[in-house]
Formats: sequence, structure tokens, C-alpha cells
Amino acid sequence: GESVGLHLPTLSVQEGDNSIINCAYSNSASDYFIWYKQESGKGPQFIIDIRSNMDKRQGQRVTVLLNKTVKHLSLQIAATQPGDSAVYFCAENQAYSGAGSYQLTFGKGTKLSVIP
Amino acid sequence: DSGVTQTPKHLITATGQRVTLRCSPRSGDLSVYWYQQSLDQGLQFLIQYYNGEERAKGNILERFSAQQFPDLHSELNLSSLELGDSALYFCASSARLAADTQYFGPGTRLTVL
Repeated sequence: GESVGLHLPTLSVQEGDNSIINCAYSNSASDYFIWYKQESGKGPQFIIDIRSNMDKRQGQRVTVLLNKTVKHLSLQIAATQPGDSAVYFCAENQAYSGAGSYQLTFGKGTKLSVIP
Repeated sequence: DSGVTQTPKHLITATGQRVTLRCSPRSGDLSVYWYQQSLDQGLQFLIQYYNGEERAKGNILERFSAQQFPDLHSELNLSSLELGDSALYFCASSARLAADTQYFGPGTRLTVL
């Protein structure tokens, strides 16, 4: 996984604009994907998920798009607010060694900074 | 608030020592996961328990071990601590064994001096 902190990709947006955060995943067999938001000093917080039989899913102010052909996920945040400032992680849920169990593999985090 | 609780919030100890981190999953969740988050490694999966049994192992060192008790709370034991073990340790829980949303606790910040 990518490091959290100084070496993260950063996205700066103006308050009120839309944000798009991208993520490439690694395993074409992954069938479930999750976006998490992590504020400084806190645990990752679930935002939205999507299963591989869908291309798009919408929540409150957030939309996740899944492109299985190129193994790409994106998170769109509408009307970005200062409270959206955080590190955003995508995670793919992969089966673990056929044991009927799954583990999350986290992708690169992206630091979103909202300019008031 | 995710419903997952972790104690302690902060832990400062010396090299060579042993510590125990505790996690209580969300009510009704049977699966517990442990993760380590450090500046140079990101979020790394350590181990998973489901209803008291170990079900998956990630990048967990042999000096680390975990268990899940009958009341479903879990403990992560870290021994022979090294400076490099300083990190945030998160517990997450999910309802089932299947591909499911994991809800994270607030974490324990471990500092090894």
C-alpha cells in the first residue's frame, strides 16, 4: 500500500466544486470495492461501496464509478465542503486462499484539501 | 461512530516489551480484522478472526499474535517490540465471512521508544 502522509498524491479543490478521486485496483477477480475516508488521527470511515456487477452507485453527494475493463474506480464528491478534507482510500475485497474468507487490500490514498 | 471500540487510545512503551491491544466489534459482527498503519507502509492487513477462529493472515510478524474470545472481542498481542513497530493499529469488524463492508475502530497509537 501507499504511505499515508507527506508522500500522498494531493488534490486541492475550491469549496463548492466537484471532486474526482481515482484509484486503480490490482486484481481482476475482485468483486467488491469500498471507498473510505480517513481524517487525521481517526480510523477509516466507510463512504460507499460497489459490487462488480454494477458500473455506478450513488450516495448522498458521492458517486462511485467502476470500470472493470481497465480496473479503475473513481469517487466523485459533489459540492465539496471543508469537512470533506481527508485522505481517501479505495479498497478491493479479495478472496483469501479459497478459505471462504476475504481481505481488504487498500490502494493509494489521496489527500483531498478543500480551499474555503 | 462506527460502533467498533479499541483500547487503549495511546500506548507508549520501550523496545523489548510486550503489549496487548483490545478491540470490541460492532454488535452482531462476527468477523474481526487487525490492520497496521505506518507512514512508510500504509494500511496493512494483519489477521482476521471469525467467530473465534483465525481465518486469514496477512503481513503479520511472528512476534505478533491475536485471538478472538467467546464474547467476540479480540486482542492483538505484540511482543519483543522494536522501534519499527510504532504505528497506528486498527481493528475492523464485519457481519459475515463473505465480502462485506468493514467498519473501523478509532485505532491505538503505539509508540515504541
